[in-house]
Amino acid sequence: DPKIIQKPKYLVAVTGSEKILICEQYLGHNAMYWYRQSAKKPLEFMFSYSYQKLMDNQTASSRFQPQSSKKNHLDLQITALKPDDSATYFCASSQDHWGVDTQYFGPGTRLLVL
Amino acid sequence: AQSVDQPDAHVTLYEGASLELRCSYSYSAAPYLFWYVQYPGQSLQFLLKYITGDAVVKGTKGFEAEFRKSNSSFNLKKSPAHWSDSAKYFCALEGPTGYQNFYFGKGTSLTVIP
Repeated sequence: DPKIIQKPKYLVAVTGSEKILICEQYLGHNAMYWYRQSAKKPLEFMFSYSYQKLMDNQTASSRFQPQSSKKNHLDLQITALKPDDSATYFCASSQDHWGVDTQYFGPGTRLLVL
Repeated sequence: AQSVDQPDAHVTLYEGASLELRCSYSYSAAPYLFWYVQYPGQSLQFLLKYITGDAVVKGTKGFEAEFRKSNSSFNLKKSPAHWSDSAKYFCALEGPTGYQNFYFGKGTSLTVIP
């Protein structure tokens, strides 16, 4: 059974619209993260959460808003979508956010903005 | 500023040969370094990490990596290579905030010819 679930697997959106990417982890971890992988850039760290609190935000745009309704959930809301937002978005988790715990990655959501 | 460089975008070799994927980093403090592998259509999988101690760290799937402070490198090695090792490999550095924000290199695509 998959331990980190991301939904949907593929997503097509129109410019200017809003989408929510879902992430749930069943590893019992306390920390969760979002990363973005696009054709033009290396895998980029976006956010880290620990016990449902934002710990680090390396995303310049406020159009990206993480949402944590439960400790094992970290969704990503993206508003006013742009074609440059097209990428694969990976959710990850680790036991805790301190130290050097190994991060485990979900299967990703591939977003295409037209 | 911290950064990770993987200078080889593509590496091709024959099965049975030794493989070495290069990774260099720039970081003012003691680095925490990781290697991940991404098979086609899949998410990232953890291979190994260096925190402190022995310069050679062993990981999963028969891989090992050598940390060299003298030239700020953390190269991934395996001998012999197998066709199933064909994948994209990412080197990562944990950022300075301590919140597990990883900085990834652009990745090296490895092709092992049977």
